[in-house]
Amino acid sequence: QQQVKQSPQSLIVQKGGISIINCAYENTAFDYFPWYQQFPGKGPALLIAIRPDVSEKKEGRFTISFNKSAKQFSLHIMDSQPGDSATYFCAASIETGANNLFFGTGTRLTVIP
Amino acid sequence: DVKVTQSSRYLVKRTGEKVFLECVQDMDHENMFWYRQDPGLGLRLIYFSYDVKMKEKGDIPEGYSVSREKKERFSLILESASTNQTSMYLCASNTRKTFSYEQYFGPGTRLTVT
Repeated sequence: QQQVKQSPQSLIVQKGGISIINCAYENTAFDYFPWYQQFPGKGPALLIAIRPDVSEKKEGRFTISFNKSAKQFSLHIMDSQPGDSATYFCAASIETGANNLFFGTGTRLTVIP
Repeated sequence: DVKVTQSSRYLVKRTGEKVFLECVQDMDHENMFWYRQDPGLGLRLIYFSYDVKMKEKGDIPEGYSVSREKKERFSLILESASTNQTSMYLCASNTRKTFSYEQYFGPGTRLTVT
């Protein structure tokens, strides 16, 4: 059973456009929601993360929007660039112990010039 | 910089072979993880370890075992490799000592079982 549902599976965006990736979860005990970015041939790397005490977090062109009541969160990439082309994974965890992450299924983003 | 290294980038094994995948981290992290990554399924946790000689099953432990004899090293063992274990295997580590709980990943080992 997938604890975190992610959509779309793939996304093509024009350079300068906005990329939006959505995730949803069921377990209300989750209290940490990171996004990981993975380039071909590399392991995933943390991009940005949010905790449920805020509804939005912005770092440069990347923004997480969080809706606690709907149990949904999304990643927005503003002014998308070809260098943003990668696979993006949302995840969720409970911040105790080893903080095991439950990952979404991933979104392959392609930004075309 | 945190560094997580994996012993092989590519590995080809035959059905029934015993396979060892090694992972080493250099940041004194307490926690280490093994995931497999398959298209359309994302990353799925196989096993994790929160201390030397300690291990916990993840979501898909069947057909795998692990070993953590030293803090910096975490091994994934396929006792008798099967074709459905063909996958990308990712190792990660993190620490409870910082607020971020960020997991640091190695580059992965692409295993093909024929």
